[in-house]
Amino acid sequence: RKEVEQDPGPFNVPEGATVAFNCTYSNSASQSFFWYRQDCRKEPKLLMSVYSSGNEDGRFTAQLNRASQYISLLIRDSKLSDSATYLCVVEYTGGFKTIFGAGTRLFVKA
Amino acid sequence: DTAVSQTPKYLVTQMGNDKSIKCEQNLGHDTMYWYKQDSKKFLKIMFSYNNKELIINETVPNRFSPKSPDKAHLNLHINSLELGDSAVYFCASSPGGAREQFFGPGTRLTVL
Repeated sequence: RKEVEQDPGPFNVPEGATVAFNCTYSNSASQSFFWYRQDCRKEPKLLMSVYSSGNEDGRFTAQLNRASQYISLLIRDSKLSDSATYLCVVEYTGGFKTIFGAGTRLFVKA
Repeated sequence: DTAVSQTPKYLVTQMGNDKSIKCEQNLGHDTMYWYKQDSKKFLKIMFSYNNKELIINETVPNRFSPKSPDKAHLNLHINSLELGDSAVYFCASSPGGAREQFFGPGTRLTVL
């Protein structure tokens, strides 16, 4: 079993749609959680950190359930520019060990 | 100003050769990483360094030898290249303590 598992995707949605990505992790010692975004042939970039209380940044909302070892990302009012691969990331060992999920590809169409 | 830079951007070489990839960060971060992203786009950590010291080695073959001459640099030397080494290699840095990582643009390595 992979340490971090994500919805396989791809997700194809129209502009304006709401889309949700799910992620589970297997190591209960995991300490920090993030969503990164990777555009085609580019480097990953941080989208947002994920906190236990849940957090929101504009159209993006992240949730963490430590008991279920589950992380989610909700994107509201999808834009064409949201088309990318979304990577669920889990860190432990004080941030020195970082495990990336395989990513979920999102296509937003006009 | 480029925060994390890698050279070269592309590297094409024959099996059995030795090659190096250089990484530099100007963010003043203590922690640096090397990742491999294979053809299936799966990004996997290879090494973590903190203040020039190796912290994590993720069961990478010893043909891969990272070297950190100072906190701002983490280079990757690969001996006896194999076909399976073909991938995109990303360097990253962070302030440490489970905070945002900043990635370089990647080095696309092709072994023929």
